[in-house]
Amino acid sequence: QEQLVQSGAEVRKPGASVKVSCRASGYSFTTYYIHWVRQAPGLGLEWMGIINPGDENRSSAQKFQGRLSMTSDTSTTTIFMELRNLTSEDMAVYFCARGGRKSNSNWFEPWGQGTLVTVSS
Amino acid sequence: QSALTQPASVSGSPGQSITISCTGTSSGIETYNLISWYQQYPGKPPKLLIYDGTKRPSGVSRRFSASNSGNTASLTISGLQATDEADYYCCSYVGSSNWIFGGGSKVTVL
Repeated sequence: QEQLVQSGAEVRKPGASVKVSCRASGYSFTTYYIHWVRQAPGLGLEWMGIINPGDENRSSAQKFQGRLSMTSDTSTTTIFMELRNLTSEDMAVYFCARGGRKSNSNWFEPWGQGTLVTVSS
Repeated sequence: QSALTQPASVSGSPGQSITISCTGTSSGIETYNLISWYQQYPGKPPKLLIYDGTKRPSGVSRRFSASNSGNTASLTISGLQATDEADYYCCSYVGSSNWIFGGGSKVTVL
């Protein structure tokens, strides 16, 4: 079945970077966009960015520009999200989610199981 | 700056219908016909309920329906069940390869 499987929980100190992976299976990897969405404890969903796994064309929300990198490895059908210069406000569960075939498709399904990133000194 | 406003909480008794609103507060939201809706249980990833404004993916109960009017989209849950107790989020494409989520609505079944 179509699924996204993410890497495990991470703990980082303030100022460090974290890299989360999202492995896709069960569908044509380069056909659909991948989004990253995060959720701070007890709060709502926050859209972070989108990447085309085929050509790595990407876009991110303005608040993450300069800190967020998204890459794709077609050989392993894996998307990577790296967030740099972490602060306590980056402590959240990070989700990858498959979007549509078009860059402006507004649906996300399926979702990865989520990766908890803890930022603590 | 675009934003989507949802009520923080909505409640209803079993069997009733409830409606969750999602109001766009500024320009930039391309079209409310492209609103998607998600259901999320605690500790779980969201699940797509509605896309393209009113369409249900395969497998989603017909008890979930959506509509839009002007700058407000709405999700209606009919025949409310205990299993509908969850958080619900709307989402919109706002152009320039950007998306925004509403703040979320907690549904409580009384």
